[in-house]
Amino acid sequence: DAGITQSPRHKVTETGTPVTLRCHQTENHRYMYWYRQDPGHGLRLIHYSYGVKDTDKGEVSDGYSVSRSKTEDFLLTLESATSSQTSVYFCAISESYNNYGYTFGSGTRLTVV
Amino acid sequence: QKEVEQNSGPLSVPEGAIASLNCTYSDRGSQSFFWYRQYSGKSPELIMSIYSNGDKEDGRFTAQLNKASQYVSLLIRDSQPSDSATYLCAVTDTGANSKLTFGKGITLSVRP
Repeated sequence: DAGITQSPRHKVTETGTPVTLRCHQTENHRYMYWYRQDPGHGLRLIHYSYGVKDTDKGEVSDGYSVSRSKTEDFLLTLESATSSQTSVYFCAISESYNNYGYTFGSGTRLTVV
Repeated sequence: QKEVEQNSGPLSVPEGAIASLNCTYSDRGSQSFFWYRQYSGKSPELIMSIYSNGDKEDGRFTAQLNKASQYVSLLIRDSQPSDSATYLCAVTDTGANSKLTFGKGITLSVRP
C-alpha cells in the first residue's frame, strides 16, 4: 500500500452521525476511487474523481458525498450514517483511467451501530 | 448494468495442481482486464493484467483472454498454500473516465 493511506483504519459510529473517511496519496495520480466491499456483493464503486474538483457518482452513491480539493486527498462523507453503510471501504488510485489497474489502500472498517 | 461474473466457489485444489479461475463480462467494448488477489482482511493486490486476445504468462500465473467469447481466465500452475486467497476479476467499462467493475470473487483454497 505504499503511496496511498486511508484513515481511520477502524471506526465505530452511531446511526445518524456524519462520518468522513480520508484517502491520501503521494503518487500524484489523477484518478481516485472509493469502493465498498460487502459479503455477497464484492467491490462496488461509490464515487470517483478524475481530477481536482472533478468527481462523479458510481453505482452505490446514495447517502455518500465526496470532495477533492487537492490532488493528494479524496474524502468520502457519509452525511447521516445508517446501519446499511456498515462495510469495509477501500480507496484506490490510478495513473490512467484504462491501462494500469488500480492500487488500493489498506481499507477502513466502518461499523454503524 | 455492466456485469462481471465469476464461477461460483469456493475452489479447492491440492498443492502442486493447476487452479483455473474463470470470468465472463457483459460489456463487449471492454478493453482492459485485471486479476486481483485478496488475502483475508487485506486489500486487493493486482497480480495480472491483459489487454489483447491470447495468453499472458508471468511466473506461475497465466491470464487468458477471449474477447469474442467475452471470457477471461487465470491459471495458477504448481499451486501453493500461499496462493489461498480470494481472486477478483476486474474489467474496464467503455466511455470517458472508464472505471473498473469487479466480479464478486472466488475463494481458492490450496490443500497441503
